Amino acid sequence: DVKVTQSSRYLVKRTGEKVFLECVQDMDHENMFWYRQDPGLGLRLIYFSYDVKMKEKGDIPEGYSVSREKKERFSLILESASTNQTSMYLCASSLRAYEQYFGPGTRLTVT
Amino acid sequence: DQQVKQNSPSLSVQEGRISILNCDYTNSMFDYFLWYKKYPAEGPTFLISISSIKDKNEDGRFTVFLNKSAKHLSLHIVPSQPGDSAVYFCAASDNQGGKLIFGQGTELSVKP
Repeated sequence: DVKVTQSSRYLVKRTGEKVFLECVQDMDHENMFWYRQDPGLGLRLIYFSYDVKMKEKGDIPEGYSVSREKKERFSLILESASTNQTSMYLCASSLRAYEQYFGPGTRLTVT
Repeated sequence: DQQVKQNSPSLSVQEGRISILNCDYTNSMFDYFLWYKKYPAEGPTFLISISSIKDKNEDGRFTVFLNKSAKHLSLHIVPSQPGDSAVYFCAASDNQGGKLIFGQGTELSVKP
């Protein structure tokens, strides 16, 4: 079974803090993705990566950055957290072009 | 610009009946479509998919239908069970590097 793990299930941060969300997959997948899920908006792609040290902007990259130093790990960074970044963050990985496997999500609250 | 749309935010169905979840798309370059199921406080899990060269794919109680001319797909669950209660997302890919475009989701509630 593919396993995608995320470092925290719930996180509360203050406005202006730097926030790191970590994602690790154990299936040697090339592709990794970060989404946020908000009510009525579905899953929106923030950033993705096809390989180590590679990154591509998704649909809503503003206010975020990413890091992929190792194949199995993909980190999402909120440089200066804001209240509009309160959301559910989901990490996914895939080997082929289509089917993605998701982690359990991190519910981030920025106060 | 929402390329994948699920116009029904919620759906309520009686146990044993059919659930039909709908999804519309605008990009004719999409060549693969997927349905994901999501329980609260969990990540989405893959349910079923269909290639654009097919018009139907079936897996147990779940069937996905694709109407390319109408740019419409639907997920049928027969018979519906209370454990099917979840949010269902449809997603589409144009095979450009593995990206998926997701719809807004439909929350299905199956009543006993």
